[in-house]
Amino acid sequence: GAGVSQSPSNKVTEKGKDVELRCDPISGHTALYWYRQSLGQGLEFLIYFQGNSAPDKSGLPSDRFSAERTGGSVSTLTIQRTQQEDSAVYLCASSLLWGGNTGELFFGEGSRLTVL
Amino acid sequence: GEDVEQSLFLSVREGDSSVINCTYTDSSSTYLYWYKQEPGAGLQLLTYIFSNMDMKQDQRLTVLLNKKDKHLSLRIADTQTGDSAIYFCAYPRGSYIPTFGRGTSLIVHP
Repeated sequence: GAGVSQSPSNKVTEKGKDVELRCDPISGHTALYWYRQSLGQGLEFLIYFQGNSAPDKSGLPSDRFSAERTGGSVSTLTIQRTQQEDSAVYLCASSLLWGGNTGELFFGEGSRLTVL
Repeated sequence: GEDVEQSLFLSVREGDSSVINCTYTDSSSTYLYWYKQEPGAGLQLLTYIFSNMDMKQDQRLTVLLNKKDKHLSLRIADTQTGDSAIYFCAYPRGSYIPTFGRGTSLIVHP
């Protein structure tokens, strides 16, 4: 597709359930990022992928959070045993890091997670 | 303190100029960015500035960079209602991790 695609756009789940959020980056973008946006908290970095590897996962808030990327393309963010404080908008972004570009991030529209 | 600090709200009258300010801590960045987020949407790059520049102008937008004080500002001339959005200041932490401020909500009223 032309832009970064995220699904689902909205997810309501019960506390304790697992959820998977998907990100389809722009074709050819080697870098992929997950951020979390909570009300009044700005953008919180979660994890960064370069290709299929994650050189920086320092932002994952707990071991309930994990992410993977396959084929240098699609990424899945998994939250196990969801808690109410996990409620937020999860944003995915992709970027070209090479070739002298500015490092601009292209964002998806986000997945809004509500944990009841 | 936080890596990037911004005030949370700015309210202006339509037609006036808006100035959104940002202070940051890391002085090694090559670029500094302003992103815009409209309601219900993801962020979109609005403009950027090289760290060796003091000013960049792009139509109604003027970016000023004071490296000594680690201060970045975005001026929007002739602010319109369509400019109402959240504006984020950002720079790359280390080499590849863009760090964002909390965002400034710009409210434009008639």
